[in-house]
Amino acid sequence: SQQGEEDPQALSIQEGENATMNCSYKTSINNLQWYRQNSGRGLVHLILIRSNEREKHSGRLRVTLDTSKKSSSLLITASRAADTASYFCATDDAAGNKLTFGGGTRVLVKP
Amino acid sequence: DTGVSQNPRHKITKRGQNVTFRCDPISEHNRLYWYRQTLGQGPEFLTYFQNEAQLEKSRLLSDRFSAERPKGSFSTLEIQRTEQGDSAMYLCASSPRLEPWEQYFGPGTRLTVT
Repeated sequence: SQQGEEDPQALSIQEGENATMNCSYKTSINNLQWYRQNSGRGLVHLILIRSNEREKHSGRLRVTLDTSKKSSSLLITASRAADTASYFCATDDAAGNKLTFGGGTRVLVKP
Repeated sequence: DTGVSQNPRHKITKRGQNVTFRCDPISEHNRLYWYRQTLGQGPEFLTYFQNEAQLEKSRLLSDRFSAERPKGSFSTLEIQRTEQGDSAMYLCASSPRLEPWEQYFGPGTRLTVT
């Protein structure tokens, strides 16, 4: 079963714009991780945020976590065509345990 | 490159045949995970190992599936008597000994059962 639900399912933006996607989950978590997947390829780890953290940055990425609302958001600033991919959030419920993924947000960045 | 590697990258097989996939984790990682991903969906957990011990198996892992990690290094995933419903991308990930246990994924093995 998939715990996380990403919103929107698909997003189309112009290069240079910001892209924001959201993830909601159902049960308590230990960590939440965001991944990128280019078409037909493996997943690339983007960022991990722990349950006791509220915000984290990495380059053009900003992740927030609201455990009271069981939700997270991923912001990609100044998007590039190379950011075109599917983005997944994944949660684990215990230390080093299996990840439960959402269905992903497909992002298209038009040049 | 010292990332997670998987072989083969693609496998086409006929229904009823057995297939085996291999995963080589990042060398210092002691946890290894297998996931399956079908088109348009997020990955779904199959099983994971801590060193050579298989600690959890999903109910998705029917008795036709078996995974091993005999020396706590590489792992194999075997599917016996393949069915068309087994067609998917099989992903392997590994994570380090110490927290916060980010999982790093390999490129996957795409299985097509004809």
